[in-house]
Amino acid sequence: AQSVTQLDSQVPVFEEAPVELRCNYSSSVSVYLFWYVQYPNQGLQLLLKYLSGSTLVESINGFEAEFNKSQTSFHLRKPSVHISDTAEYFCAVSLVYSGAGSYQLTFGKGTKLSVIP
Amino acid sequence: EAGVAQSPRYKIIEKRQSVAFWCNPISGHATLYWYQQILGQGPKLLIQFQNNGVVDDSQLPKDRFSAERLKGVDSTLKIQPAKLEDSAVYLCASSTGQGRSYEQYFGPGTRLTVT
Repeated sequence: AQSVTQLDSQVPVFEEAPVELRCNYSSSVSVYLFWYVQYPNQGLQLLLKYLSGSTLVESINGFEAEFNKSQTSFHLRKPSVHISDTAEYFCAVSLVYSGAGSYQLTFGKGTKLSVIP
Repeated sequence: EAGVAQSPRYKIIEKRQSVAFWCNPISGHATLYWYQQILGQGPKLLIQFQNNGVVDDSQLPKDRFSAERLKGVDSTLKIQPAKLEDSAVYLCASSTGQGRSYEQYFGPGTRLTVT
């Protein structure tokens, strides 16, 4: 079975400062990796995903994450945060497709990012 | 394109009462998921449907939880009787269910408080 560890439950950061949200996973087989964002009173939205190819993936709003197989990590970074980035961020894994029942997501506990003006 | 719809958004009940949640997935999405998100934790999969069939319900507490997806579209999740530990946000998600349908689209959730 796979598992996801998000090391920080809360991360406060000043506006325009850089931020890194850490995610480590455990799996004996290949996985897909995801970051989801949850704004207050809203459902989860996919922020970015790693399936294969380039280990650095980017989102449309300036976030990026790098897949590191040797360290089993998929940390999320942004060079300059905005107030609107305040939300909870969830790292998730899914087994690479292998038939019915696949693409089930296993989530970490989440990291609350608070951007301070 | 309309997103995943869920109702009600909030529900408060007393323990031992019953409650039902409703989910309407994105039109044409064959796969539907129900997740339970307890405060301070990530979502946990309860049940997965492919059309109107159950793919995986291994984490569904079947003594009190039930779910159905009649006609392969809408789905309902029921809890009977509810316990205090069932207080959580119940999320519904859907995906196309075809090919590399790894992306799941989530509804806003139903926040259940059991007193």
